[in-house]
Parts: sequence; C-alpha cells; structure tokens
Amino acid sequence: SQQGEEDPQALSIQEGENATMNCSYKTSINNLQWYRQNSGRGLVHLILIRSNEREKHSGRLRVTLDTSKKSSSLLITASRAADTASYFCATARTGANSKLTFGKGITLSVRP
Amino acid sequence: DSGVTQTPKHLITATGQRVTLRCSPRSGDLSVYWYQQSLDQGLQFLIQYYNGEERAKGNILERFSAQQFPDLHSELNLSSLELGDSALYFCASSVVGTSTDTQYFGPGTRLTVL
Repeated sequence: SQQGEEDPQALSIQEGENATMNCSYKTSINNLQWYRQNSGRGLVHLILIRSNEREKHSGRLRVTLDTSKKSSSLLITASRAADTASYFCATARTGANSKLTFGKGITLSVRP
Repeated sequence: DSGVTQTPKHLITATGQRVTLRCSPRSGDLSVYWYQQSLDQGLQFLIQYYNGEERAKGNILERFSAQQFPDLHSELNLSSLELGDSALYFCASSVVGTSTDTQYFGPGTRLTVL
C-alpha cells in the first residue's frame, strides 16, 4: 500500500505562477523526499527533508515538513514550462529498512 | 544524469518468457534497489541489496528474483511473464542503504509483455 498521498492529483498553472503540492503520510518517518518524473522517464531527486527539519530550500524549491500533521508541501516558485512533470513524495521510515514508499504523484502542467 | 545506468531501455516479450534487467549503480554506491511502476499499482518497492547481500524485500513476486554481484551491478530476473508484469522497472542506488540515504534512480527499463 502507498503511504504518501499527494494533493491535488493534477495542477495546471500559468508560467511565472507558484505551484504548491501537498503530501500526507501515515507512519513515523526518518525523512521525506520529493522526486520529479518527466513523462515515462526516470525519477529525478529534488530534495530530501529529515524528520527533525521543518523547512528546506533548493533554488526555486521550498519544502516544508510538519511531523505532527504528518504532511509536507513542495512549493515551486516562478514556474516554467520545463517544470511540467509528475511530482512524487516518498517516505523513508525510521529503522534500517530504507525502502521508499511513494505516493501516486501529482501531474503539474505549466502553460507558457 | 543520475549516474545509475539500466539496460535495456525497452524490452518486448511474450507471456511465459523470462527476461533479465541489468543495473549499474553510481560509482561508490553499495546499495541497489528495484522498483516497479505500473498504472494501477504506482511505484512499488521490490527488493534491496547491500554489498551483495539482500537487505529488504517488498512486493516482489516469487516469479521474480534479483542479485547483486561482486562488482555491485545488479540483475532483476522476471520469469513466467504475465501481461500484468508490463511496467517500468527502475533501479536506484545509494551510498550505504540506510533510511537516511538519498536514492538516485536510473532511467528505467520499459517491459511490455504481449
């Protein structure tokens, strides 16, 4: 079963706007990671946030983590057409087992 | 480019057949993971190896097996293939294979079973 649930399932915005995507999960985690996938291609790692971190930035990306609500958000600022892709959150649970549990993904379309 | 390579990129085969997917991890990474991505199941963890030893198992069918060789490359063997095995199969690698690691994904092998 999938632990991560992203919201919304699909998002369509205009170039230059900000895109906010949310992810909720069910169990305690060691870290949460966001990945991007362009149509049927490989997954590109975007950012990792650890359970003891609340916010992290990387370029135009901002990720927040609220462990009390078991949720995370990914903000892409000043979006570009090239940001069009599917975005997945993935959680790694506490413990030696490092498998990632993925959500179903969010399809982001950025209109030029 | 993540540094993880997978071959072949595409594979078309018939039901009942057996195929082998190959993965080379990033230089220096000791752990390899296999994931399956399908429309109905999404991205599912199959199995993890660390330095040649199996470390964790997920939703991997008995018809599937994997191994990691001394040079750290890994192979995923799928046998008695069924239509439902059609999917994208990803390999990922990480440095030490713990839950604090970042996993880097290869481009995937698209398997089509006819």
